[in-house]
Amino acid sequence: EPEVTQTPSHQVTQMGQEVILRCVPISNHLYFYWYRQILGQKVEFLVSFYNNEISEKSEIFDDQFSVERPDGSNFTLKIRSTKLEDSAMYFCASRAGGSGNTIYFGEGSWLTVV
Amino acid sequence: GQNIDQPTEMTATEGAIVQINCTYQTSGFNGLFWYQQHAGEAPTFLSYNVLDGLEEKGRFSSFLSRSKGYSYLLLKELQMKDSASYLCAVRDPPEKGANNLFFGTGTRLTVIP
Repeated sequence: EPEVTQTPSHQVTQMGQEVILRCVPISNHLYFYWYRQILGQKVEFLVSFYNNEISEKSEIFDDQFSVERPDGSNFTLKIRSTKLEDSAMYFCASRAGGSGNTIYFGEGSWLTVV
Repeated sequence: GQNIDQPTEMTATEGAIVQINCTYQTSGFNGLFWYQQHAGEAPTFLSYNVLDGLEEKGRFSSFLSRSKGYSYLLLKELQMKDSASYLCAVRDPPEKGANNLFFGTGTRLTVIP
């Protein structure tokens, strides 16, 4: 069964460093998402991406965050200057075209900022 | 805005039936999803309701009442492996483009022998 894959599964970084989280969405999907989940808290929407541009973003997705689809398969989330409060599990997700389709999540990248 | 409420924790006995409730008040609605999430893992899709009524899928059923802003997930014949968090999520309407999901805090279910 096709799945969303993410790398790395776990990254530890120092405060102020740049981090890039990578995702390979399901191959025929058109909509891509990043969500995050701080330990013990709910899954929060960060950003959605369609047709090579941001479709919607939340208040969390400030100027420190950016997304890119550098080629036909990868979808990346960059955090320019990490803060302690960026420590969370980051989930990439994707869905096929059409409003009726389910969003499928990757296994997540656990980011620890020290 | 999006306001989605679920109980924080529930405990049930192996073999029993448990109902997890979710109420929502959202600025738009295009379906309600239930996901299962084991600790440290990704949410996995369980069920989807867009019209009122009950959707049954094996041991899992989900119900929706749009007029009441209410849904429940029913788990039958509970197994130990059903111990997980159950996430209620509401989807944005189609006019918002990407149909984002907005999640409740999740209900952590513990199944005991």
